[in-house]
Amino acid sequence: EAGVVQSPRYKIIEKKQPVAFWCNPISGHNTLYWYLQNLGQGPELLIRYENEEAVDDSQLPKDRFSAERLKGVDSTLKIQPAELGDSAVYLCASSPGGRSSYNEQFFGPGTRLTVL
Amino acid sequence: AQTVTQSQPEMSVQEAETVTLSCTYDTSESNYYLFWYKQPPSRQMILVIRQEAYKQQNATENRFSVNFQKAAKSFSLKISDSQLGDTAMYFCAFMKHAGGSEKLVFGKGTKLTVNP
Repeated sequence: EAGVVQSPRYKIIEKKQPVAFWCNPISGHNTLYWYLQNLGQGPELLIRYENEEAVDDSQLPKDRFSAERLKGVDSTLKIQPAELGDSAVYLCASSPGGRSSYNEQFFGPGTRLTVL
Repeated sequence: AQTVTQSQPEMSVQEAETVTLSCTYDTSESNYYLFWYKQPPSRQMILVIRQEAYKQQNATENRFSVNFQKAAKSFSLKISDSQLGDTAMYFCAFMKHAGGSEKLVFGKGTKLTVNP
C-alpha cells in the first residue's frame, strides 16, 4: 500500500513569490492534516480536513496561506506571498477518520521550503 | 491548551545499551493518548509507541517501552539494546480523545545518536 505522497520534496523560492505544495493521502483516508515543522521544533498543525471540509484551521495564517481539498482526496497548500520566515518543512499526514476511538496518523516525507 | 515538554535536546548512547528519553505534558483533559514518534534524517515521521491515558499498564513494543506516570504527567521512552538505526529525532506527542481524528501536539524533540 502506498504511503502519503508529497511533492515537491524540496522547493527554493525568493521572498514574495507564491508556492504550492501537494499531498495525496493514503487511499481511503478521510482525514488529512497539514503540519508546519520549523527547524529544531516539533510539527504544529496548520489545518485539518474531514473529507473536503476544513474542521480545524485556527492555526492557519489566512492572510497568506490557503488550502483546499476539493474532492476529499488530495490537497494543496499555498503560500502567497512567501516570507523569509516561511522557510520550514511542511508535513502532510492522513488517518482513516470516522468516529472510532483512535485513528493513527501516517506522515508523508514532507516538503522542505527555503525562502531566499 | 495542551503543552508537551522534552527537556533533553540531545542524547547519545552506545550501541546495545539502554537509553531513556523524558517527556512531560500539561493538560486538563481526562482522556487522551500519548505517543512517541521517530523522525530519521529522511524526515518520514514514524509512530514508535502509543499509550492510552485510561490504561495503567505501560505500553511496550519490542525494544521500546514507556513509563507513564499520569499523576505526574510524565511519559518517558526507554529504548533497550539500542541499534544504529535508532539514531533519529524523537518526538513526544499528545492527542485528546475526542472522536479519533484530533490533532497531535508535539514537543520540541530529542536528537538521539547511537554510537557504534
